[in-house]
Amino acid sequence: NAGVTQTPKFQVLKTGQSMTLQCAQDMNHNSMYWYRQDPGMGLRLIYYSASEGTTDKGEVPNGYNVSRLNKREFSLRLESAAPSQTSVYFCASSVLITTGVETQYFGPGTRLLVL
Amino acid sequence: GQSLEQPSEVTAVEGAIVQINCTYQTSGFYGLSWYQQHDGGAPTFLSYNGLDGLEETGRFSSFLSRSDSYGYLLLQELQMKDSASYFCAVRFTGGGNKLTFGTGTQLKVEL
Repeated sequence: NAGVTQTPKFQVLKTGQSMTLQCAQDMNHNSMYWYRQDPGMGLRLIYYSASEGTTDKGEVPNGYNVSRLNKREFSLRLESAAPSQTSVYFCASSVLITTGVETQYFGPGTRLLVL
Repeated sequence: GQSLEQPSEVTAVEGAIVQINCTYQTSGFYGLSWYQQHDGGAPTFLSYNGLDGLEETGRFSSFLSRSDSYGYLLLQELQMKDSASYFCAVRFTGGGNKLTFGTGTQLKVEL
């Protein structure tokens, strides 16, 4: 199993350019998430998808859109990149047990620089 | 509001024991998780406390006290490879299917 994979690993954009970050998981998890992590900071949730066909906003959704393409894939799109979106982006997936135990599995991250 | 607070940095020597605290302000949550993240790497799951008390996994233990609104991660027999950032996280009741992460603690292990 590859776990959670993300592409690309690195990307440099100019202000105003658009791009899509790809994420896929092969663990048959229902839930998937997109986070951003700024230097020396914690993880902030951008969007999540509790199950195939649903998406919800997280803490910092402005400037982003998502698509849950199928159970395996969850993409994040920046329509018009801004320097403030320079960050490391992590995708994660999880399986939820009814008792509340939830383990999230993270991808390796995409390092994005917006000039 | 719902927030999780951690010390920003902790330094300890190899072989020692260190405790990383997580205090929270929330009306309800399912349990407290801990994640480890090495520089340049992805967060990885360490432990989970659904009930009050101590959970032990090898050199790592985690504790939760709901009455005191507090939990901690205890690392014993510290090794250089334990130098990393550690995050607590909770899934709040009524918050949907998502985790909220703490501010993170950078642990530096010295010789």
